[in-house]
Amino acid sequence: GAGVSQSPRYKVAKRGQDVALRCDPISGHVSLFWYQQALGQGPEFLTYFQNEAQLDKSGLPSDRFFAERPEGSVSTLKIQRTQQEDSAVYLCASSLVLLGDEQYFGPGTRLTVT
Amino acid sequence: RKEVEQDPGPFNVPEGATVAFNCTYSNSASQSFFWYRQDCRKEPKLLMSVYSSGNEDGRFTAQLNRASQYISLLIRDSKLSDSATYLCAVNIGSSASKIIFGSGTRLSIRP
Repeated sequence: GAGVSQSPRYKVAKRGQDVALRCDPISGHVSLFWYQQALGQGPEFLTYFQNEAQLDKSGLPSDRFFAERPEGSVSTLKIQRTQQEDSAVYLCASSLVLLGDEQYFGPGTRLTVT
Repeated sequence: RKEVEQDPGPFNVPEGATVAFNCTYSNSASQSFFWYRQDCRKEPKLLMSVYSSGNEDGRFTAQLNRASQYISLLIRDSKLSDSATYLCAVNIGSSASKIIFGSGTRLSIRP
């Protein structure tokens, strides 16, 4: 079956622009996670959803970052007024239920802020 | 102290060797543990979950040591195709679904 998909795969933004990154989780997966991965580092937790509820957003680095999942399926991560330090790969993952379940990752969106 | 720590490596070992990585975690209430494999410029892929009793999948063996708060991954008879970065992942807290990843251990298998 289809895995997690993300779009766009690559995004170049000028400093100060807003960007929106999309994630389509595996059908039927309740939980959805966003991570930020810098070069040479592991994925850093940003936020997660259970269905449409955002249960933890403690990893969002600033109030310029905003995530939503209004119908409990597709999710969008929005970054306002992008800065160079936002350049990273943004990974989305989904899991069937919540606690203890394996997460399946999408291919990521590589964001470069110039 | 970081919540999840790994030796970054790189580990450079000959084909056929046995190699082991450890990953330490700080939260004693953690209940779920995983090893992921990540190839260069690709997404992490689940390698195996780590169970209390330890588990084995072919050449790969994962173990959990709750007393010392670490998990380990052993790869036997390593293949060239095992070259990758290995990430450990641990949930934080007994009821949270927040998964924290280590920075990864780079493994390079040479012919």
